[in-house]
Amino acid sequence: KAGVTQTPRYLIKTRGQQVTLSCSPISGHRSVSWYQQTPGQGLQFLFEYFSETQRNKGNFPGRFSGRQFSNSRSEMNVSTLELGDSALYLCASSPVGQPSGNTIYFGEGSWLTVV
Amino acid sequence: AQRVTQPEKLLSVFKGAPVELKCNYSYSGSPELFWYVQYSRQRLQLLLRHISRESIKGFTADLNKGETSFHLKKPFAQEEDSAMYYCALLWRTGNQFYFGTGTSLTVIP
Repeated sequence: KAGVTQTPRYLIKTRGQQVTLSCSPISGHRSVSWYQQTPGQGLQFLFEYFSETQRNKGNFPGRFSGRQFSNSRSEMNVSTLELGDSALYLCASSPVGQPSGNTIYFGEGSWLTVV
Repeated sequence: AQRVTQPEKLLSVFKGAPVELKCNYSYSGSPELFWYVQYSRQRLQLLLRHISRESIKGFTADLNKGETSFHLKKPFAQEEDSAMYYCALLWRTGNQFYFGTGTSLTVIP
């Protein structure tokens, strides 16, 4: 069974640009969450989608957005990139409506560097 | 508000020595707590959760509601335990995890 797949794995963008990251959850998983990981802040919750609906959003500016498709694949978008957006962006999927520790699986992440 | 605190960013112990990674939480309801581990160049993965009261790779963690702590312990550290460890609190209402800032454990041979 394939794990959570995130693309691209690495990317470099310039300040002011926008970026789209993709996440393919484990087959059959309907919940997808996104987290930002930085050395200073650790892992911070961005948002969670279930059945194409955003159910919860973390404390991030409106430049951060996401969506989920009918096949459960998800994308997140960051517009008007800032240097502070440089981070590892992690996607996690869960088969059930609510996550629990033994049913949430993380991808390897997308490393974003903003220059 | 939900909050997870890991006071130690870095922790070094010698092989064979006991290790304890500290975690404190703030949560008004009944907490669900977990430890996640991230080995070098690998994805984040679940180590253990308090409700199962299990021991994984020799690690245990006991939830202490009085002290609002969920410290991770291992009696004899091994070199392969060197990794980044994150304590996490699950907030079911919001379908999200609150993670601590992590502790980087280095086991010295």
